[in-house]
Amino acid sequence: GEDVEQSLFLSVREGDSSVINCTYTDSSSTYLYWYKQEPGAGLQLLTYIFSNMDMKQDQRLTVLLNKKDKHLSLRIADTQTGDSAIYFCAERGLDDKIIFGKGTRLHILP
Amino acid sequence: KAGVTQTPRYLIKTRGQQVTLSCSPISGHRSVSWYQQTPGQGLQFLFEYFSETQRNKGNFPGRFSGRQFSNSRSEMNVSTLELGDSALYLCASSLKVGPDTQYFGPGTRLTVL
Repeated sequence: GEDVEQSLFLSVREGDSSVINCTYTDSSSTYLYWYKQEPGAGLQLLTYIFSNMDMKQDQRLTVLLNKKDKHLSLRIADTQTGDSAIYFCAERGLDDKIIFGKGTRLHILP
Repeated sequence: KAGVTQTPRYLIKTRGQQVTLSCSPISGHRSVSWYQQTPGQGLQFLFEYFSETQRNKGNFPGRFSGRQFSNSRSEMNVSTLELGDSALYLCASSLKVGPDTQYFGPGTRLTVL
């Protein structure tokens, strides 16, 4: 079945760029999403990309999509302490079901 | 515009009991989806409703059920609770079904003792 994989942890120094990677298996994915979850809170949609796009930029966030390798990444420029959270990659397939990765915990080092 | 609201925020039940969780979508949103989040399994899709009809269902036993009302509010019910049902239950709403952006509520934290 469909699967979405992410590394579980990432540590980055404040001010550096963070790159969170994700791979998925469903080649018929229509949309791919990045969500942020802070402690004790629900999920917040950060950005999304249509499957026919290669890149999307939104302020400090850049999403890159490699359809051939089924690889999605989220780059956060100038990482701040407020970026500390769990980041979820998710894909929506043709059946409209959304499959989430297990999340990457981003830790910011001073 | 008010966001997605879920009630209650926290719930403690014992094994064998049943529980009903409620979700009020963003005004104007007609699609509501439910997810279960646990440390071990991560986020898993439960079901999706649109115009009072269940459109999609995840791989959960029949103890998990839901419904949607004419005002788009949704409830999910879990009967005969098991310890493994302890989780954060998240509700998300969107304007329509299909590739549309989902907005999540804060969740209901269910603890089964």
